[in-house]
Amino acid sequence: EAQVTQNPRYLITVTGKKLTVTCSQNMNHEYMSWYRQDPGLGLRQIYYSMNVEVTDKGDVPEGYKVSRKEKRNFPLILESPSPNQTSLYFCASSTILDSNQPQHFGDGTRLSIL
Amino acid sequence: TQLLEQSPQFLSIQEGENLTVYCNSSSVFSSLQWYRQEPGEGPVLLVTVVTGGEVKKLKRLTFQFGDARKDSSLHITAAQPGDTGLYLCAGALLSGGYQKVTFGIGTKLQVIP
Repeated sequence: EAQVTQNPRYLITVTGKKLTVTCSQNMNHEYMSWYRQDPGLGLRQIYYSMNVEVTDKGDVPEGYKVSRKEKRNFPLILESPSPNQTSLYFCASSTILDSNQPQHFGDGTRLSIL
Repeated sequence: TQLLEQSPQFLSIQEGENLTVYCNSSSVFSSLQWYRQEPGEGPVLLVTVVTGGEVKKLKRLTFQFGDARKDSSLHITAAQPGDTGLYLCAGALLSGGYQKVTFGIGTKLQVIP
């Protein structure tokens, strides 16, 4: 089954404790992206990757890091989480976007930073 | 400032009613996508519109792309409780050699039986 898998689905942690949210896709997609979804603000892009070893900042990259060492994986790293990073996070993948292809989303990771 | 203005943000209607959701921008998009998101899940694509003036139908849902490719609408006929969810529009803009996708805030629809 074609899917984007995120882990964990839920996490409550404390300020400053490094965490990683994993994302894996089995569709051989080149493009992967991380979004955060907040009430009243919608989905905002954090980072994206066009292919292996190619990453770039989205609209709200501050406080986040990513890596793309393999095509299927695109982890999101919070080196020193803060309460304003409490949010619902989505990973998405797609074939190259210039073909108007849809993004396939994971089921989300709800992060609470205390 | 939202690049894509989506309205209304909330809509609660009775089963059987019709409704329209709007997605507006001052920018021209190469394509516009509509997604539906249910609680605890990620957005799922409903349709992509590419050509100005294009109309696409998906059962009781009708999607229209504006002639100038700056706006779009989603019309639902005879809404059902199963239509309840968050509807998101997403516009694709060519930027830096690739298509940047921007999402609207979403319309939260509740259809009451």
